Amino acid sequence: GQSLEQPSEVTAVEGAIVQINCTYQTSGFYGLSWYQQHDGGAPTFLSYNALDGLEETGRFSSFLSRSDSYGYLLLQELQMKDSASYFCAVGAGTALIFGKGTTLSVSS
Amino acid sequence: DAGVIQSPRHEVTEMGQEVTLRCKPISGHDYLFWYRQTMMRGLELLIYFNNNVPIDDSGMPEDRFSAKMPNASFSTLKIQPSEPRDSAVYFCASTLDRGHSPLHFGNGTRLTVT
Repeated sequence: GQSLEQPSEVTAVEGAIVQINCTYQTSGFYGLSWYQQHDGGAPTFLSYNALDGLEETGRFSSFLSRSDSYGYLLLQELQMKDSASYFCAVGAGTALIFGKGTTLSVSS
Repeated sequence: DAGVIQSPRHEVTEMGQEVTLRCKPISGHDYLFWYRQTMMRGLELLIYFNNNVPIDDSGMPEDRFSAKMPNASFSTLKIQPSEPRDSAVYFCASTLDRGHSPLHFGNGTRLTVT
């Protein structure tokens, strides 16, 4: 079967750096994605890693190690608006399968 | 483009009633997905279509659930009869391909079955 593990909650203060880890078990893996979802909203795409290494997009970076079945999302210079749920998702075989999500709370 | 459009935004119905959720994907996107989101189970993939053809419906929970995509610009998810445990937010999403292209989600339909 397929499974993804990520922490359920993370808290941090404005300006800090936060890393959200994701480990996965799947067959036919073809990439790790990250999505952000604000309360009451829809998930929106943040980043995608198909190959090992770091992808940087502004304040957000995402990392993948396929040999370790592991990835993380790094959020820098945290802002209040970053308070949201963050989902890792694996493309595997059929379609995107999502983790349960990590709720990030940013305080001032 | 207006993005993925879902209707209705909210649906409240009584147990046993039929519910139909609607989705218009982004024009040109070949893949359409239906997901269900609950606190307990997170985002679950129910079914997905490629070029209007259902490819994988293994996530559809029961025979009470059915989905159709009669053309490239319209899909429905039907629950008949509905039950309280079907209460959830149902998202439709579309993408160009199931590889590295991002999923574009609609705003979801919040279903409450009493």
